[in-house]
Amino acid sequence: AQKITQTQPGMFVQEKEAVTLDCTYDTSDPSYGLFWYKQPSSGEMIFLIYQGSYDQQNATEGRYSLNFQKARKSANLVISASQLGDSAMYFCASQTGTGFQKLVFGTGTRLLVSP
Amino acid sequence: EPEVTQTPSHQVTQMGQEVILRCVPISNHLYFYWYRQILGQKVEFLVSFYNNEISEKSEIFDDQFSVERPDGSNFTLKIRSTKLEDSAMYFCASRERGLNTGELFFGEGSRLTVL
Repeated sequence: AQKITQTQPGMFVQEKEAVTLDCTYDTSDPSYGLFWYKQPSSGEMIFLIYQGSYDQQNATEGRYSLNFQKARKSANLVISASQLGDSAMYFCASQTGTGFQKLVFGTGTRLLVSP
Repeated sequence: EPEVTQTPSHQVTQMGQEVILRCVPISNHLYFYWYRQILGQKVEFLVSFYNNEISEKSEIFDDQFSVERPDGSNFTLKIRSTKLEDSAMYFCASRERGLNTGELFFGEGSRLTVL
């Protein structure tokens, strides 16, 4: 069974600073994918970044990067140069195997960016 | 940019009533999902659907729930007899292909309130 753990219920960061949101995962399947989604107060789920278990390099998408440490089973999201619009809930999720398997989500981290 | 659309955005219903939530996935997508999020909690998988049949369902998805794709475009979630604990945000999602690299696109959600 998959499990995602996000130990930070809330994080605070000042505008323009970088912030790291933690995520650890637990799966016995050698093939898996890790996702990060942003959920603003309006409620929609916005895809941010994806990391495959066999990817050699850490994924990056603009200001988002994923610090993938396979041996430690961690997939932390790093947001550089935080903006006020980054204030939201952030969910880490995993999917095992190949195919159309479900995503399993963590409990989320609420990020607040202050001016 | 193509998107997953959901209707209604908010529905209020009386306990025991039937509810149908509708979703129009992205047109070339093949895999469809329903997730739910009880207020303040994590996103939970309900069901996945491929090739006109359920491919996986969670424990939450009991006999009160059903899904169908009646006309090749709409993907619906029906709750036969709603309970108070069905109050949640329901997200439809779709993906183009069944590989780990396939981004899962979410709709904006349908908020269901059961009184």
